[in-house]
Amino acid sequence: KAGVTQTPRYLIKTRGQQVTLSCSPISGHRSVSWYQQTPGQGLQFLFEYFSETQRNKGNFPGRFSGRQFSNSRSEMNVSTLELGDSALYLCASRITSGVIGTQYFGPGTRLTVL
Amino acid sequence: QKEVEQNSGPLSVPEGAIASLNCTYSDRGSQSFFWYRQYSGKSPELIMFIYSNGDKEDGRFTAQLNKASQYVSLLIRDSQPSDSATYLCAVIRDTGNQFYFGTGTSLTVIP
Repeated sequence: KAGVTQTPRYLIKTRGQQVTLSCSPISGHRSVSWYQQTPGQGLQFLFEYFSETQRNKGNFPGRFSGRQFSNSRSEMNVSTLELGDSALYLCASRITSGVIGTQYFGPGTRLTVL
Repeated sequence: QKEVEQNSGPLSVPEGAIASLNCTYSDRGSQSFFWYRQYSGKSPELIMFIYSNGDKEDGRFTAQLNKASQYVSLLIRDSQPSDSATYLCAVIRDTGNQFYFGTGTSLTVIP
């Protein structure tokens, strides 16, 4: 079974631009979560989608948004990029939302904001 | 208080020794517990999960959970240089919608 895939793997943008990242979960997984990882802050939760609905949201500004499609694929958008948005963005999927269920990560998208 | 706390390390052990990684969590409603390994420049990969009090073994890895004391640990037996990585502890609370991650413990296994 194929793992979680993310595209693109690397991105370079300039301040003020916007970016869209894509994530395809493991087949059969309906929950997709997004994380930002930086050396200083570690893994920070952005949001989780399940059945096209946002189930939970982390403490990030409204510039960060996401959506999920009927095939469970998810996109994350960051508008008006800032230098501090440079990070590894990770997508993770699991079969369902809830207290049980392991989460598997994709390879990540490395975003650099100049 | 952070949801999940880990000693950032670095932790160094000689090859063949037992590496012990610890994690504490703040919410007594936490239900599920996970250990991930992350190599530099790579994404986290699941090592194992544990739901019930006690020990769970998988090969060289043993996860230990003590809900009364609110800690979970990972033991790596016969440590290998390839085990050198950052180990992330994660929990799900009883609300169930979000994983909470610790900041990770850096482990170096010295040949």
